[in-house]
Parts: sequence; structure tokens; C-alpha cells
Amino acid sequence: GENVEQHPSTLSVQEGDSAVIKCTYSDSASNYFPWYKQELGKRPQLIIDIRSNVGEKKDQRIAVTLNKTAKHFSLHITETQPEDSAVYFCAASIETGGGNKLTFGTGTQLKVEL
Amino acid sequence: DTAVSQTPKYLVTQMGNDKSIKCEQNLGHDTMYWYKQDSKKFLKIMFSYNNKELIINETVPNRFSPKSPDKAHLNLHINSLELGDSAVYFCASSHLTGYTFGSGTRLTVV
Repeated sequence: GENVEQHPSTLSVQEGDSAVIKCTYSDSASNYFPWYKQELGKRPQLIIDIRSNVGEKKDQRIAVTLNKTAKHFSLHITETQPEDSAVYFCAASIETGGGNKLTFGTGTQLKVEL
Repeated sequence: DTAVSQTPKYLVTQMGNDKSIKCEQNLGHDTMYWYKQDSKKFLKIMFSYNNKELIINETVPNRFSPKSPDKAHLNLHINSLELGDSAVYFCASSHLTGYTFGSGTRLTVV
């Protein structure tokens, strides 16, 4: 089955700096890669996703990149703010018509310090 | 209107008891899931239903039994609760791809 590794497990940055979280996946058939943000005591929420036919996607201060050959993908957050502090999860799956099983990475605790 | 709602939000119970968690979604999604998040925050799939049919059943003890009376509901019943079952259980739904998660049920077995 799919295996997703995520690094680092914790990340501290100063407000205004950039943060990068990296993930690798094992199943070359995976074609959908979402990122979730989970604030303390809350549900995971989808913040951005990318499909295997695209190499990069941006949404304001957030961007994701995908390298299919190397089987890794990354989340980039620019101009970090205190409200970006949370646990971030990457995930991978094979899209099918009947739903998809997301395999999650182990999470990255991001702390943005003032 | 909450898109994916779970009840109860907190559940404290003794070892050996049987308990249920309910989930409902009003998004019209075809697929629903149960995930377990342990104390280290790791999210692991347990079950998935598509249009009331079980499509994913991971290596979960048979003390856990999901039930989907219709495609908007997916409940989780747990028999003979053990200390190791303590975790946060998230229900989710999807249409094709990205999940919408419920707010979670924090289960504590004492």
C-alpha cells in the first residue's frame, strides 16, 4: 500500500519568514495530493491540493510543488503569520470514481513566532 | 449548517463497554469515511463507504462495526472497549477527491 513520509515533524519560524514542509510517497500510481491544516482541538481542513498532471499550484501565500519522478511534493508558506501556527498534514491517494483512500503523512507542527 | 456533523463530541467510558458514534453529512457526497487520530496526531483510515456499500476495511479489530443506513449517514459502533481505543475519531465525506471532516469525537476509555 501507499506510504507517505513527512518532514520535518516540528518547524519554528519567525513571523514573515517562509516555511517549507516536504513529503515523499511510495506508490507511483498516486495522482492526488492534498494538504490539510489542523488547529489545536479542531478538524483537519483542506488548504490546497494538486494533481499529478500539474507541477505547481499557488493560492495567495500558499504553494505546492510536485515532482512525480522523484515522488515528492512540498508545501510552501510565504510571509508566515501567527495564525498559520497549526499541524499540517500531507496526503496521497489514487483518484477513483468511488471515493479515494487518503494516506496521510505524520504531520508537521508549525509554530510562527512573533 | 454544519456540513459533516458527529455526535457525541466527547465520550468517556469504562473498559468493556459498548458505544456508538454517529455521523451525518449534508453535502450530497457519495463517500464517507472513519479515521482514527492517535495521541501522536497520526491519521489512519478505518473504513470507507460509497453509496452505503463498504469499500475500504483496513486492519481494524472486528470490535469496530460501521453501519451506513443511507449515503448521508455513517455510524461507528465499538464493542468491548479497550484502553488502546482512546483517540479522536473523525468522520469525513468526499465527492471524488478532497475530504470534508467532521469535528471529531474524543473517546477516552478508563
